[in-house]
Amino acid sequence: KAGVTQTPRYLIKTRGQQVTLSCSPISGHRSVSWYQQTPGQGLQFLFEYFSETQRNKGNFPGRFSGRQFSNSRSEMNVSTLELGDSALYLCASSYYPGLATGELFFGEGSRLTVL
Amino acid sequence: GENVEQHPSTLSVQEGDSAVIKCTYSDSASNYFPWYKQELGKGPQLIIDIRSNVGEKKDQRIAVTLNKTAKHFSLHITETQPEDSAVYFCAASTVTGGGADGLTFGKGTHLIIQP
Repeated sequence: KAGVTQTPRYLIKTRGQQVTLSCSPISGHRSVSWYQQTPGQGLQFLFEYFSETQRNKGNFPGRFSGRQFSNSRSEMNVSTLELGDSALYLCASSYYPGLATGELFFGEGSRLTVL
Repeated sequence: GENVEQHPSTLSVQEGDSAVIKCTYSDSASNYFPWYKQELGKGPQLIIDIRSNVGEKKDQRIAVTLNKTAKHFSLHITETQPEDSAVYFCAASTVTGGGADGLTFGKGTHLIIQP
């Protein structure tokens, strides 16, 4: 069974630009969560989607947004990039939403560098 | 919101010895405590989890203990092997019938197994 697939794996942007990251969950998984990982702040929850609806959101500014499609694939978008947005963005999928049962399966992440 | 503290940040042990990583949490409503292992260049992988109605859980060389009164939980790895070298993260979340908050992670412990 294929794991969580994130694209692109690496990208470089400049301040002020926007970026879109993509996540394909494990087949059959309907919940997708996004996390930001930085050396200073560690792993921080961005948002969770289930059945195309955002169920939960972490404490990030409105520049961070996401969506989920009917096939459970998800995208996240960061607009007006800042240097501090440089991070590894991790996507995780699970069959059920909200950690009710089962584990989160993480992808290998998209490493964003903002210059 | 929830706050998770993790210690130590780096732990070096001889191969074959035991390793213990400790975490504390602040929100008494948290009831789900997973531990993740992250190897270089990969996403976090769940290694064991515990829910607040259980005090201890074991899986081969790995065990987790939970003290709800002290808001403290620990990961124990016995008979450490070179492949145990990685960064370990503890996390906490509140899971209810209606869903859950995202995971709040500790800052991670870099476990080094010395040959």
